[in-house]
Amino acid sequence: GENVEQHPSTLSVQEGDSAVIKCTYSDSASNYFPWYKQELGKGPQLIIDIRSNVGEKKDQRIAVTLNKTAKHFSLHITETQPEDSAVYFCAAIPSSFGNEKLTFGTGTRLTIIP
Amino acid sequence: NAGVTQTPKFRVLKTGQSMTLLCAQDMNHEYMYWYRQDPGMGLRLIHYSVGEGTTAKGEVPDGYNVSRLKKQNFLLGLESAAPSQTSVYFCASSYYGQGAYEQYFGPGTRLTVT
Repeated sequence: GENVEQHPSTLSVQEGDSAVIKCTYSDSASNYFPWYKQELGKGPQLIIDIRSNVGEKKDQRIAVTLNKTAKHFSLHITETQPEDSAVYFCAAIPSSFGNEKLTFGTGTRLTIIP
Repeated sequence: NAGVTQTPKFRVLKTGQSMTLLCAQDMNHEYMYWYRQDPGMGLRLIHYSVGEGTTAKGEVPDGYNVSRLKKQNFLLGLESAAPSQTSVYFCASSYYGQGAYEQYFGPGTRLTVT
């Protein structure tokens, strides 16, 4: 099955600096890669996603890049703010199971230092 | 819209006791999922359902059972709780359809088994 690895597990950045979280996946046929943000005491929430026919996608301060050849994708947060502090999860859809199931990475705890 | 709701929010069980976690969604979603979240292990899929009356095993199904008698509800049962089932449990739901991958999560249930 699909295997998603996520790094780093913890990340601290100064407010206003950029943060980058990286994930690798094993199934070369995976075609959908979302990022979820989990705030303390809440369930994860989708913040951005990318499909395998696109190399980069931006939404205000958040961007995701995909390298299909290397089988990795990254989340970039620019001009970080205190409200960006949360746990971030990457995920991928293993093609062999259609669109029913996501395989999640192990998460990155991002802390923004004021 | 309430979205995805979970009951209870917290529960403490003794080893060998049984309980049922209830998930309800009011978005008319076809797909529903149960995950468990443990430190350093991300979100792991327990069971999922692709429609009313259907269930399927996920990555870590042992010790759990599920039922989807109504489209809006997805129940997770523990017949004989074990300390290894201490975790935070999340329910999620999603649309069915091409490209409809976003999962909507509930707020979670924190379960402690002593």
